[in-house]
Amino acid sequence: GAVVSQHPSWVICKSGTSVKIECRSLDFQATTMFWYRQFPKQSLMLMATSNEGSKATYEQGVEKDKFLINHASLTLSTLTVTSAHPEDSSFYICSAPRRSYNEQFFGPGTRLTVL
Amino acid sequence: DAKTTQPPSMDCAEGRAANLPCNHSTISGNEYVYWYRQIHSQGPQYIIHGLKNNETNEMASLIITEDRKSSTLILPHATLRDTAVYYCIVRPDSGSARQLTFGSGTQLTVLP
Repeated sequence: GAVVSQHPSWVICKSGTSVKIECRSLDFQATTMFWYRQFPKQSLMLMATSNEGSKATYEQGVEKDKFLINHASLTLSTLTVTSAHPEDSSFYICSAPRRSYNEQFFGPGTRLTVL
Repeated sequence: DAKTTQPPSMDCAEGRAANLPCNHSTISGNEYVYWYRQIHSQGPQYIIHGLKNNETNEMASLIITEDRKSSTLILPHATLRDTAVYYCIVRPDSGSARQLTFGSGTQLTVLP
């Protein structure tokens, strides 16, 4: 079964609004989670690394004031897209490494459409 | 992380073996080869990984050349549900909390 969940699975919003996406590790604790973005017909691009109890680290070119990340517990990281615009429309995916496993577990993704 | 090169697309007949190649000629001695796949509009799914020995699990087999500069993922009996983008990723540590760097992958289409 799924070990990482995301909510919502899809969202449509108006330009200028903020959208929060949740990423949960279901049966394990994750001190680190990763947020990726995927545009149509492109590969996944890492946006930021979410660290429990500390600030997220952002990849070059990703605006930290626009994509707010909060990792307040060992099982939950949230990504808030502030003042969303149509160019933010994308597929957002989170992942979490699981201790003692050699793989990362990915969430099912969230499809964001900004009108 | 070492760079990987994969063909952009491949077709395979249902029930036949799908052999997906990956070149990683700059791989370092401590880097593992990982394979993930992404079915359309879903999150990626781990398939298999290896360092230098061939590996097999319930999903696939991984064949790594002796010089480790290339590898092949084998799906022994492809089904329509195996249609996906397959990513070959090279990374330093097994089990570390390091992000994955995705290339463009191979779009595998399994044909009925």
